[in-house]
Amino acid sequence: GENVEQHPSTLSVQEGDSAVIKCTYSDSASNYFPWYKQELGKGPQLIIDIRSNVGEKKDQRIAVTLNKTAKHFSLHITETQPEDSAVYFCAASSRNTGFQKLVFGTGTRLLVSP
Amino acid sequence: DTAVSQTPKYLVTQMGNDKSIKCEQNLGHDTMYWYKQDSKKFLKIMFSYNNKELIINETVPNRFSPKSPDKAHLNLHINSLELGDSAVYFCASSHVGQGADGYTFGSGTRLTVV
Repeated sequence: GENVEQHPSTLSVQEGDSAVIKCTYSDSASNYFPWYKQELGKGPQLIIDIRSNVGEKKDQRIAVTLNKTAKHFSLHITETQPEDSAVYFCAASSRNTGFQKLVFGTGTRLLVSP
Repeated sequence: DTAVSQTPKYLVTQMGNDKSIKCEQNLGHDTMYWYKQDSKKFLKIMFSYNNKELIINETVPNRFSPKSPDKAHLNLHINSLELGDSAVYFCASSHVGQGADGYTFGSGTRLTVV
């Protein structure tokens, strides 16, 4: 089955710096890659996603890139702000499952210091 | 309006008890899920239901029994609770199929077994 690895497990940056979180997946049939942000005491919230027919997608300060050949995808946050501090999860979904089973990475705790 | 709502938010109970967690979504999604998040924040799928039918059962002990009375509701009943069941349980929903979107998560139920 699908296996998703995520690095780093923790990331500390200064406000205004950029942050990059990287994930790799194992199932070459995976075709959907969302990113979630989880704040303390809340459920994960979808912030951006990318499908396998696209190499890059951007939404304001957030961008995601996908390298299907290497089975890598990354989240880039520019001009970080303290409110970006949270746990971020990548995930992958394979069409082989028939239905949408998301396999999550192990999470990255991002801390943005003022 | 809350898109995915689950109750209760907190649940403290003794070992051996039976408890239920309820989930409702008003997004018109056709698929609902239960995920377990352990103390290390790892999110692991437990069950998936599509239009009231069980699609995914990830080798969860049969003490856990999901029930979907209709496609807007997915409840989780747990028998003979054990200490290791302590975790945060998230309900989620999504639309499956061409152009499927990411999950919408509920805010979680923190279960503590003492």
